[in-house]
Amino acid sequence: NAGVMQNPRHLVRRRGQEARLRCSPMKGHSHVYWYRQLPEEGLKFMVYLQKENIIDESGMPKERFSAEFPKEGPSILRIQQVVRGDSAAYFCASSPSVIGSGELFFGEGSRLTVL
Amino acid sequence: GQQLNQSPQSMFIQEGEDVSMNCTSSSIFNTWLWYKQEPGEGPVLLIALYKAGELTSNGRLTAQFGITRKDSFLNISASIPSDVGIYFCAGQGNTGNQFYFGTGTSLTVIP
Repeated sequence: NAGVMQNPRHLVRRRGQEARLRCSPMKGHSHVYWYRQLPEEGLKFMVYLQKENIIDESGMPKERFSAEFPKEGPSILRIQQVVRGDSAAYFCASSPSVIGSGELFFGEGSRLTVL
Repeated sequence: GQQLNQSPQSMFIQEGEDVSMNCTSSSIFNTWLWYKQEPGEGPVLLIALYKAGELTSNGRLTAQFGITRKDSFLNISASIPSDVGIYFCAGQGNTGNQFYFGTGTSLTVIP
């Protein structure tokens, strides 16, 4: 039973380019969460999605960032016109749902470096 | 978003010593999770707690769901060098499926 799969593991972009990070949840999981982590810091919530729906995007910057979880295929976190401050590790996690009795499993992360 | 208060922020201990860390929240949670993260890796789930007062062990790790449902504790007994890492707590409330994370406890074990 494969875990949460993220790719790419490492991504280098120049300022102004676009970054696309992909996440395939664990089998049977329909809830996907994206978190951002700066070096030596904790996990900051960005967005929570179910299939074809954004449930909570309160942690997502209003501009340049978007996320989707289509009916078929992985969840995508998209960062347009990247800036140096976007350099961070982006973690995806999935949950089998059920409020109050859920578990959250993380992928290995995608490390974005903006030159 | 809500951030849980986790303490201590960092710990430097001798191999063989026991470790305690805790996490507090201003809100009631229905689920508490504890994770360990090593450099360059994603957080790995260690223990999940679902009931107030629940005490759960995973090898040398023991975690407790506080009676008030606003806190949780993690203990590591007889620490070893491979326990080094950052430990995070996470809580899930009873409205929505959101998980909130603590600020992390960095553990260093000196051989």
